[in-house]
Amino acid sequence: GDSVTQMEGPVTLSEEAFLTINCTYTATGYPSLFWYVQYPGEGLQLLLKATKADDKGSNKGFEATYRKETTSFHLEKGSVQVSDSAVYFCALARDSWGKLQFGAGTQVVVTP
Amino acid sequence: DAMVIQNPRYQVTQFGKPVTLSCSQTLNHNVMYWYQQKSSQAPKLLFHYYDKDFNNEADTPDNFQSRRPNTSFCFLDIRSPGLGDAAMYLCATSRGAGGGRTDTQYFGPGTRLTVL
Repeated sequence: GDSVTQMEGPVTLSEEAFLTINCTYTATGYPSLFWYVQYPGEGLQLLLKATKADDKGSNKGFEATYRKETTSFHLEKGSVQVSDSAVYFCALARDSWGKLQFGAGTQVVVTP
Repeated sequence: DAMVIQNPRYQVTQFGKPVTLSCSQTLNHNVMYWYQQKSSQAPKLLFHYYDKDFNNEADTPDNFQSRRPNTSFCFLDIRSPGLGDAAMYLCATSRGAGGGRTDTQYFGPGTRLTVL
């Protein structure tokens, strides 16, 4: 079945550091790929998405490229801020309902 | 301009006492989802509605039911909550107009359920 694997956290960084969160997936066909962010005590917000191979999603300084050859969708940000502290979920959707299969989530902690 | 609203944000119930969580949306989306998220885990889909068509996940316990009386509202009923049902319950919506796998899901802030 479909699955999403992302790096374990917590990832602790200093402000202005470079952030990478690895995400790989297993799925048949051509899934869409998503990064959602969850701030403490809140619901999930879409950060970015890509719906086909080689697409790059970007938002708020975050980027991720859909790599079909490596089945990956790694999230990157060049310079993190304290306000980026959150849990980041990689997810895929493959069926006609748009059902999301989430990874386990990666907690990111950015210190001043 | 809240788009997906969940009430209440915090709910405390007693073991075995039925509880209902509510979700409303101002997006006029066709699809509404209910997820259960336990501490430090990924959200787990319980069921979803496409318009009035109900779709249950195979591993969702019978203890969980849902109602969607109209496009805007969806309810999650837990008939006999157990201690293991303590979690954050997230409602989400998507347009569903043929977008399928490319649709974005919009999440509410969640209701945190405590079972005493």
